[in-house]
Amino acid sequence: QQQVKQSPQSLIVQKGGISIINCAYENTAFDYFPWYQQFPGKGPALLIAIRPDVSEKKEGRFTISFNKSAKQFSLHIMDSQPGDSATYFCAAEGSPYSGAGSYQLTFGKGTKLSVIP
Amino acid sequence: DTAVSQTPKYLVTQMGNDKSIKCEQNLGHDTMYWYKQDSKKFLKIMFSYNNKELIINETVPNRFSPKSPDKAHLNLHINSLELGDSAVYFCASSRGQSGELFFGEGSRLTVL
Repeated sequence: QQQVKQSPQSLIVQKGGISIINCAYENTAFDYFPWYQQFPGKGPALLIAIRPDVSEKKEGRFTISFNKSAKQFSLHIMDSQPGDSATYFCAAEGSPYSGAGSYQLTFGKGTKLSVIP
Repeated sequence: DTAVSQTPKYLVTQMGNDKSIKCEQNLGHDTMYWYKQDSKKFLKIMFSYNNKELIINETVPNRFSPKSPDKAHLNLHINSLELGDSAVYFCASSRGQSGELFFGEGSRLTVL
């Protein structure tokens, strides 16, 4: 059972445009929602993360929007640059305190972003 | 200084062989993980160790055996390699059992 659904699978955006990647989750026990960025030949690295007590978090050109009632969250990349071309993974984690039983991070299937000049 | 380092970076071997991948972290973290990334880039957790104790053991063939000699090391040994084992294996660590994961650069295993 895929617990975190990510879309689109791939995305092509013009330089300067807005990239939007969406994720939906099923488990209401999830209480931590990070996004990871992976460049070719490298391991994923944390980009930005949010907890469900806020609806939005912004760090530079990267913003997470979170909709708890819809169980959805999205990553917006403003003024997209060719250097942003990478694979982006959303993820969700629960904890023993949120009813998940244990800590375990579940990843979405990834979105390959290509920003063209 | 590399925070999470894994060796070898590339591994090409024949079916039926046994191979190991080593991982070391110098971040002082308590928890280490092995993830498998298949050809479609899907990241799936295999194992997690906290203070040398196994805490997550996903449905992985018992041909895969992790070993944590100390908090800073988590090695992965694979017996009787199969074609389907071809993937990139990532080691990662975190301060506790939650929060930011720090990944190594991956070990690409190709089974012929």
